Amino acid sequence: EAQVTQNPRYLITVTGKKLTVTCSQNMNHEYMSWYRQDPGLGLRQIYYSMNVEVTDKGDVPEGYKVSRKEKRNFPLILESPSPNQTSLYFCASSQRAFPQETQYFGPGTRLLVL
Amino acid sequence: GQSLEQPSEVTAVEGAIVQINCTYQTSGFYGLSWYQQHDGGAPTFLSYNALDGLEETGRFSSFLSRSDSYGYLLLQELQMKDSASYFCAVRPGSARQLTFGSGTQLTVLP
Repeated sequence: EAQVTQNPRYLITVTGKKLTVTCSQNMNHEYMSWYRQDPGLGLRQIYYSMNVEVTDKGDVPEGYKVSRKEKRNFPLILESPSPNQTSLYFCASSQRAFPQETQYFGPGTRLLVL
Repeated sequence: GQSLEQPSEVTAVEGAIVQINCTYQTSGFYGLSWYQQHDGGAPTFLSYNALDGLEETGRFSSFLSRSDSYGYLLLQELQMKDSASYFCAVRPGSARQLTFGSGTQLTVLP
């Protein structure tokens, strides 16, 4: 089954404790991205990757890191989480970035930073 | 920068037709997409318009006017299961980033 998976689905952590949210897709997609969703703000892009070893900042990259060492995986790293990073996070992938391709979203990760 | 505006809430009754508008301001433009999201679940793709005009997919249609920087999503024969949030999204001049609107919460009443 074609899908995007994220782990963990739910996470409660404390300020400053490094964490990684994994994202994996089995569709051989080139383009992957991370979004955060907050009430009233919609989905905001954090980082995206055009292909292996090619990443770039989205609209809200501060406090986050990503890497793309393999085509299927695109982990999101919070080196020192803060309470304002409490949010719902989505990973997404598409065959290409341009022209417009359907983005497939993972199930989401709910993060609470205390 | 880029910005998108869409109504925060829309309410309609089962069987009716509803239109959700989206206006955008971007530096360059490659197309307008629409996504549906149920209660914090994963957003799912509905439609994409790169050129002016109407795209129809079953009960859902999407329209784009590039000269007016405006588009809409039209939902016909509304069903209870259509109650969800609907997001428009644009890919601006960079053609890499995807910017979403803040979403429209559609409530379908019996």
